[in-house]
Amino acid sequence: EDQVTQSPEALRLQEGESSSLNCSYTVSGLRGLFWYRQDPGKGPEFLFTLYSAGEEKEKERLKATLTKKESFLHITAPKPEDSATYLCAVSGGTSYGKLTFGQGTILTVHP
Amino acid sequence: NAGVTQTPKFRVLKTGQSMTLLCAQDMNHEYMYWYRQDPGMGLRLIHYSVGEGTTAKGEVPDGYNVSRLKKQNFLLGLESAAPSQTSVYFCASSSPGQGYEQYFGPGTRLTVT
Repeated sequence: EDQVTQSPEALRLQEGESSSLNCSYTVSGLRGLFWYRQDPGKGPEFLFTLYSAGEEKEKERLKATLTKKESFLHITAPKPEDSATYLCAVSGGTSYGKLTFGQGTILTVHP
Repeated sequence: NAGVTQTPKFRVLKTGQSMTLLCAQDMNHEYMYWYRQDPGMGLRLIHYSVGEGTTAKGEVPDGYNVSRLKKQNFLLGLESAAPSQTSVYFCASSSPGQGYEQYFGPGTRLTVT
């Protein structure tokens, strides 16, 4: 059974204070690891897909990295508008694209 | 492109009532999914479909039925609503030829009293 654990549950940062979110996973035959952003009252918004260990992807102040056991979402010099819940998910084996989600990390960036 | 749309946005039901949630996507995606999101439980898969006319059970299918009569639409039905079905419901779609990333709708907030 695929499992995803995210830490911390909540993270409070000052504007400009860089940090990282962690996503630990177990999956049989990783097809992809996905990061999403979710704002209150809205649906998850796709950010990145990582397919193999060593892969990295960047988008503005966000950088996602992947190892065989975990993924990190690095946030560099965050701004208040980066405040959101960040979700990690994995797809494995012959799952028809089904995703197993973690509980999410609630990020709050104070000005 | 509208992406993934869901109707209605909000609904209040009484225990035992029935309703259908509609999901539509205009991205020509083969796969579609229904999730529910509850505090502390994360997103959980209810049912999914890998093509027109096909459906399959996810992690929490009890109390729900689905149909996919057209490629662009995926319907979620509650035959006899229960308070335990109070939740936010999200529809998503993806394509195996586009990396499997799922694109989500805005959600339906359902309250069962």
